[in-house]
Amino acid sequence: NAGVTQTPKFQVLKTGQSMTLQCAQDMNHEYMSWYRQDPGMGLRLIHYSVGAGITDQGEVPNGYNVSRSTTEDFPLRLLSAAPSQTSVYFCASSYGPGGARYEQYFGPGTRLTVT
Amino acid sequence: QQQVKQSPQSLIVQKGGISIINCAYENTAFDYFPWYQQFPGKGPALLIAIRPDVSEKKEGRFTISFNKSAKQFSLHIMDSQPGDSATYFCAASIGRAGYQKVTFGTGTKLQVIP
Repeated sequence: NAGVTQTPKFQVLKTGQSMTLQCAQDMNHEYMSWYRQDPGMGLRLIHYSVGAGITDQGEVPNGYNVSRSTTEDFPLRLLSAAPSQTSVYFCASSYGPGGARYEQYFGPGTRLTVT
Repeated sequence: QQQVKQSPQSLIVQKGGISIINCAYENTAFDYFPWYQQFPGKGPALLIAIRPDVSEKKEGRFTISFNKSAKQFSLHIMDSQPGDSATYFCAASIGRAGYQKVTFGTGTKLQVIP
């Protein structure tokens, strides 16, 4: 299993540009989440999904959109990038057959810089 | 409002020593307390976790101590090794059913020197 994969690994955007961060998992997990990691602030939940077609907001959802059309994929869209969105973004999945609800598996991250 | 407070921000320990990272929480509804380990350039990975009905959990060199009355929990790394050098996050979540929103601490960067 590849686990949780994220693309791209690095990205530089100009203010106002839009882009999509890709996330996929092959563990048949029901739950998927997007976090951003900023120095001194830990990880903060942006959006999450409890299954295909079901998404909800986390702690810091403004400026981001998500959708989940399949169990495997959970893309994060930045609508109009701002310098405040410069961060490292992590996708995580959890709760699969025989697994625990609480154990999250994280992808390798996408480092985004907005100039 | 930071619901899970973590200290210290950074820690330097000699090889073979004990590394101790402390966390405190405010919400008494939290019922699951995991610790995640993150190496540079990688995503966090679950290290060890505890429920509040247990005061201590040990897995190899890693031990969680939990004090429910004080709303504090800590990670102890015994016989610390250079390979333990990483950032450690404590966390807390609520609920035994459904999606569990996890609140993370701010992280502790551990450096184990030979």
